[in-house]
Amino acid sequence: KAGVTQTPRYLIKTRGQQVTLSCSPISGHRSVSWYQQTPGQGLQFLFEYFSETQRNKGNFPGRFSGRQFSNSRSEMNVSTLELGDSALYLCASSLGPRVGSTDTQYFGPGTRLTVL
Amino acid sequence: AQTVTQSQPEMSVQEAETVTLSCTYDTSENNYYLFWYKQPPSRQMILVIRQEAYKQQNATENRFSVNFQKAAKSFSLKISDSQLGDTAMYFCAFMKLEYGNKLVFGAGTILRVKS
Repeated sequence: KAGVTQTPRYLIKTRGQQVTLSCSPISGHRSVSWYQQTPGQGLQFLFEYFSETQRNKGNFPGRFSGRQFSNSRSEMNVSTLELGDSALYLCASSLGPRVGSTDTQYFGPGTRLTVL
Repeated sequence: AQTVTQSQPEMSVQEAETVTLSCTYDTSENNYYLFWYKQPPSRQMILVIRQEAYKQQNATENRFSVNFQKAAKSFSLKISDSQLGDTAMYFCAFMKLEYGNKLVFGAGTILRVKS
């Protein structure tokens, strides 16, 4: 079974631009979560989607948004990029079948975003 | 809010020896999950082991085992017969049972296995 895939793997943008990152979960997984990893702040939760609905959101500004499609693929968008948005963005998928349940998250290889 | 603390920024161990990585967490929840993930230089985050809080028995996965002390809110990882491929950053993570999966990570411990 194929793992979680993320595209693109590397991205270079300039301040003020916007960017869209894509994540395809493991087949059969319906929950997709996004995390930001930086040397200073470590790993921080951005948001989680299940069945095209955002179920949970971390403490990030509104410039960070996401969505999930009917095939469970997810995208996250960052508008008006800032230097501090440079990070490794990790996507993770899990089965996430029902409210109140929890499930092991499996991670993709990440997208390395550099903002100049 | 939950917090996860890994007090050892870096550790090293000789090949074939045993090493223990520490993790403590703070929560008022009674039901939750704990995880150890490893992130080698490739940056791919890999699940090592998982523990359900309602289970008293410590989880094991081959050379990896945990010492879960619920009352003390401690969740250490023991790696036996360390191998060069175990060199990685290890993250302890907490997840409570709530609407929407969310992992709270510790700062990580860099483990170097020496030959």
